[in-house]
Amino acid sequence: SQQGEEDPQALSIQEGENATMNCSYKTSINNLQWYRQNSGRGLVHLILIRSNEREKHSGRLRVTLDTSKKSSSLLITASRAADTASYFCATSSDYKLSFGAGTTVTVRA
Amino acid sequence: GAGVSQTPSNKVTEKGKYVELRCDPISGHTALYWYRQSLGQGPEFLIYFQGTGAADDSGLPNDRFFAVRPEGSVSTLKIQRTERGDSAVYLCASSSGGAQGETQYFGPGTRLLVL
Repeated sequence: SQQGEEDPQALSIQEGENATMNCSYKTSINNLQWYRQNSGRGLVHLILIRSNEREKHSGRLRVTLDTSKKSSSLLITASRAADTASYFCATSSDYKLSFGAGTTVTVRA
Repeated sequence: GAGVSQTPSNKVTEKGKYVELRCDPISGHTALYWYRQSLGQGPEFLIYFQGTGAADDSGLPNDRFFAVRPEGSVSTLKIQRTERGDSAVYLCASSSGGAQGETQYFGPGTRLLVL
């Protein structure tokens, strides 16, 4: 069963715009990670935020975590065509990752 | 350095056949994970190895699925008597020490199609 749920399921934006997607989860976690997947194949790790952190930045990525609401958001600023992909949040409470169903982002040139 | 590699990239088989999927983790990584991803879904955990032993196989759907990692490096996921419902992308990941919550690095996956 999937731990997290991403919202929205799909997102279409113009190049240069920001993209925001949200993730909600159900149980307590050690950390939450965001991954990107192109063309349904391998996942690329983007960023990890620990349960005692509230916000983290990496390049054009900004992640927030609200453990009281059991939710996280991923913001991609100044989007590019190459950002077109599916984005997954994954929670970790032990050794394994529990993924949501993902948000499909399309960046139009 | 080299990332996680998986072979084959694609596998087409007939219902009832046996298949083996291979994963080569990042050199030196002691932890190895298998996940399965169905179309339109996120990956679902199958099994976790720490070294040679399966530390958690709670995600294996039934006894047709089995995985080994005899020398603590390469792992093979074995599926007996394949069914059409086994069709999915099988992803392998590795991490350096197997600590809870550490970053996992994924391979490109094997796309399995059972006809």
